[in-house]
Amino acid sequence: SQQGEEDPQALSIQEGENATMNCSYKTSINNLQWYRQNSGRGLVHLILIRSNEREKHSGRLRVTLDTSKKSSSLLITASRAADTASYFCATDAGGNQFYFGTGTSLTVIP
Amino acid sequence: DAGITQSPRHKVTETGTPVTLRCHQTENHRYMYWYRQDPGHGLRLIHYSYGVKDTDKGEVSDGYSVSRSKTEDFLLTLESATSSQTSVYFCASSYSYNEQFFGPGTRLTVL
Repeated sequence: SQQGEEDPQALSIQEGENATMNCSYKTSINNLQWYRQNSGRGLVHLILIRSNEREKHSGRLRVTLDTSKKSSSLLITASRAADTASYFCATDAGGNQFYFGTGTSLTVIP
Repeated sequence: DAGITQSPRHKVTETGTPVTLRCHQTENHRYMYWYRQDPGHGLRLIHYSYGVKDTDKGEVSDGYSVSRSKTEDFLLTLESATSSQTSVYFCASSYSYNEQFFGPGTRLTVL
């Protein structure tokens, strides 16, 4: 399977702290995306980083990509209770298919 | 997202019965996808479509078929449901290879 893997599987932090989650994948990619899923809902796109980019910011989100290590990280700064959700990385290795990781479950304690 | 809906939202059926799930999008997106989500497996692609009547298999396509007769509709059919197909099914659409917009999901239970 070309599916990515997020690490850690679960993360619990206090409100205001930063949350970092990682994604490793197996094959060369064109781009990598991060999605959020609130309990019982569909996924929502957060950010996309292309294979020729190393870092990207969007609001309180910072994503890095290291293609030599086939890994990416998502940093959420100054976390809020509303950030409680599962976070997934998805890779596009060409063609029309996307491969999602197994997700990191983030709990932000007020 | 308001632009993509799935029906039904919940369904309970018995082993061996046919089941059809419907995905409808109003964004005029070219690409549409069906995924299943299971604990410990994340989301896995079942089938996808890159245009009307153009479909292809994903990672876990066995036991599933799809059809797309209009840009806005993408149907997923389980010809003869099995208990291993109990899952949450998500439809998604996109206008390119980039951001996908997901529906709210269908929870299917096969007894």
